[in-house]
Amino acid sequence: KNEVEQSPQNLTAQEGEFITINCSYSVGISALHWLQQHPGGGIVSLFMLSSGKKKHGRLIATINIQEKHSSLHITASHPRDSAVYICAVNSGGGADGLTFGKGTHLIIQP
Amino acid sequence: NAGVTQTPKFQVLKTGQSMTLQCAQDMNHEYMSWYRQDPGMGLRLIHYSVGAGITDQGEVPNGYNVSRSTTEDFPLRLLSAAPSQTSVYFCASSWNPAGGSEAFFGQGTRLTVV
Repeated sequence: KNEVEQSPQNLTAQEGEFITINCSYSVGISALHWLQQHPGGGIVSLFMLSSGKKKHGRLIATINIQEKHSSLHITASHPRDSAVYICAVNSGGGADGLTFGKGTHLIIQP
Repeated sequence: NAGVTQTPKFQVLKTGQSMTLQCAQDMNHEYMSWYRQDPGMGLRLIHYSVGAGITDQGEVPNGYNVSRSTTEDFPLRLLSAAPSQTSVYFCASSWNPAGGSEAFFGQGTRLTVV
């Protein structure tokens, strides 16, 4: 079973700061997902990646397959970025769904 | 674009009651799954389905049943609710989970069992 670890668990930053959230996993994967969950809200997919780097607006996700590590970056952070960010992986080889990290609770203060 | 629709959004049950959480998707996805989210833990897989008529157990299946009579619908049944089933439940769908494809989630059902 893949073990997914996220760091930090909690992060408070000031508006405008550059944010980095890290995710590491123990077993090879077919894909890694970054998800966003606002308080009391549903879960939204931000990125799915299996190699390299993806960018969407102020969000950037990178993955290093050899090191079994991914990072999610937020540039010019804004209070509306406050949410829980969840890393999840497809371990591949079967239809047994995603394995999730425990999430990073991000608060951006104005 | 409805995506994945879950109902109800909130539910309070008494111990021993049964209920069905509804999940429907309109994206023609073959793969659907149910997860529960508990404080301090990552989401955990309850049951999943790779297509109509095919279901299988996930990590925490006890106390839950599922069926998949159509591609669109994947209801989750609580047979006899217990306080340990108090949680937030999410339904998800995707094209191909084994090969990696974007996952779409419902808005969640917050269930309290008293």
